[in-house]
Amino acid sequence: DQQVKQNSPSLSVQEGRISILNCDYTNSMFDYFLWYKKYPAEGPTFLISISSIKDKNEDGRFTVFLNKSAKHLSLHIVPSQPGDSAVYFCAASDGNSGYALNFGKGTSLLVTP
Amino acid sequence: ETGVTQSPTHLIKTRGQQVTLRCSSQSGHNTVSWYQQALGQGPQFIFQYYREEENGRGNFPPRFSGLQFPNYSSELNVNALELDDSALYLCASSPGLAGALNTGELFFGEGSRLTVL
Repeated sequence: DQQVKQNSPSLSVQEGRISILNCDYTNSMFDYFLWYKKYPAEGPTFLISISSIKDKNEDGRFTVFLNKSAKHLSLHIVPSQPGDSAVYFCAASDGNSGYALNFGKGTSLLVTP
Repeated sequence: ETGVTQSPTHLIKTRGQQVTLRCSSQSGHNTVSWYQQALGQGPQFIFQYYREEENGRGNFPPRFSGLQFPNYSSELNVNALELDDSALYLCASSPGLAGALNTGELFFGEGSRLTVL
């Protein structure tokens, strides 16, 4: 069963605008949430994370918001740049059950000039 | 600092064969995890090794096995290959079970793409 869901397979945004990528989860035991970015022919690279005790974490152009009551998180990229075009994976872990990451299927972001 | 390296990058096998994939962890990392990424899917956890011991396993059959060596490098072995085993196999390392900064962050290699015919 898919515990982390990314319901939008793709997203297209103009350069300079905001990109919002969404993620839903079902396991209330998850205590860390992470976003990874993946370019073709490369492994996923860590982008930003958030602990379940917070509702927002910001790092430069990237901000992750967590809504625990809705079991929903989102990644905001402002302003979007063409180099941001990649597949973005949402992942979650439950430290009490080991630290395996549960990944969503990914959202392919295309930032057009 | 050398990152996570995996070999081979691509390989083709036939059904029923066996395959071994290799991974060198990032310097200073003692934990290695393996993930399978099928086409159009997110990575799925296979298992994790910490200090040469298996420390957690996902929903994969016993024909998926692994090893971690004293230098923390690792192998993934798959026996009796099936067509559905065709996927990108990703190795990830971290400085401890909880990952970097205790966030679960993993450092991934570029993967080994396995095609089973």
